Amino acid sequence: EVQLVESGGDLVQPGGSLRLSCAASGFTLNDHVMDWVRQAAGKGLEWVGRTKNKDSNYATQYAASVNGRFTVSRDDSKNLMYLQMNGLKSEDTAMYYCVSWLSGRCFWGQGTLVTVSP
Amino acid sequence: DIQMTQSPSTLSASVGDRVTITCRASQSINTYLAWFQQKLGKTPKPVIYLISTLESGVPSRFSGSGSGTEFTLTISSLQPDDFATYYCQQYEDHPTFGQGTKVEIK
Repeated sequence: EVQLVESGGDLVQPGGSLRLSCAASGFTLNDHVMDWVRQAAGKGLEWVGRTKNKDSNYATQYAASVNGRFTVSRDDSKNLMYLQMNGLKSEDTAMYYCVSWLSGRCFWGQGTLVTVSP
Repeated sequence: DIQMTQSPSTLSASVGDRVTITCRASQSINTYLAWFQQKLGKTPKPVIYLISTLESGVPSRFSGSGSGTEFTLTISSLQPDDFATYYCQQYEDHPTFGQGTKVEIK
């Protein structure tokens, strides 16, 4: 069974840093394109960043709103993906979801909550 | 980046109605178009992927179609469990979501 479990969400002050993790099970991570998606309370879904699969040399992409502050990485040997978030702003407050893609289909984790507040 | 525009933003309908939600892309996209259903406080649930492929376990009253820049999600006969917010997403490269369509009880 495919399962994604996010962790690392917390309350952090503006300007601070946080690292989220996504643990995958039931599949081999290196075949999958992996995304981070976030959703602020009462708002729509926003794609944050992507790490492509082994065939694409694990290339990364970012939304303009986080480019230069957030970094997506993965450790396929541990079946883990990460989101390093630096220079956090109040507008980064959201539920963060890990999403995996294979053959056009996707699977979502349950999310981890990040709150940026003094 | 490709912009995705959904319409309508809110849709009021009754059980048994046929419902159609439209998603327009700012430029032509290939086949990487998905639809998600989200209920309050829950994780988004994939409904359709690759424009028209029904996700496993999703009822056959849901269907997707379209090409180029215009795509639709249709619910042939709305059921009580279908009242939710629906999002489209292009996911080939630099993914983007539509702003969502809330399907509410009329």
